[in-house]
Amino acid sequence: EVELVESGGGLVQSGGSLRLSCAASGITFSSRWMSWARQAPGKGLEWVANIKPDGTETYCVDSVKGRFTISRDNAKNSLYLQMNSLRADDTAVYYCSTATIPAAWNHWGQGTLVTVSS
Amino acid sequence: QSALTQPRSVSGSPGQSVAISCTGTSSDVGGYNHVTWYQQYPGKAPKLMIYDVNKRPSGAPDRFSGSKSGNTASLTISGLQAEDEADYYCCSYAGSDIYVFGTGTKVTVL
Repeated sequence: EVELVESGGGLVQSGGSLRLSCAASGITFSSRWMSWARQAPGKGLEWVANIKPDGTETYCVDSVKGRFTISRDNAKNSLYLQMNSLRADDTAVYYCSTATIPAAWNHWGQGTLVTVSS
Repeated sequence: QSALTQPRSVSGSPGQSVAISCTGTSSDVGGYNHVTWYQQYPGKAPKLMIYDVNKRPSGAPDRFSGSKSGNTASLTISGLQAEDEADYYCCSYAGSDIYVFGTGTKVTVL
């Protein structure tokens, strides 16, 4: 059974930094694309970033470019999201997900809440 | 990277069919057959219901179906059931390994 468990969320001041982690099990982690998506309170889903299986290429939404960095450690079956220069509009539940079906994010974690106070 | 456009809400009685539209552009929905649909209950993670426009993953009921015409994709729920009351999001591949979600639709079972 595929399991994704996010951690690292919490309360941070505007301008601060936070590092989210996602521990994966039940999949061949090193063979899978991984992604982060987020959902602001009462709002819709937003894709944030994804990373190739070998970690050599990453992609992210314009609103986080230059501030967020997605990375992975295949030896630890772990995905990360380093978030710097946080703003109030980054407040959201952050989900990690993986695609065992090409281009279809079919496994999701339970999410971790990031709150940025101004 | 603008969000795909979905109706804010749709509703139907048990047993009826409802359809949710998802309108994008030729750079996303219209340009690729990688349209997915997710069901989300309050406080829960999204669940994949349709991928590649019209394919159902294992575990998704066959009353859920998908289609696409031009820049608009659609999710149809046939034989609406009480447990189908949830939020639904479309998502499309938009090239260069980026994705875009829809604005979300709340389905209400009357």
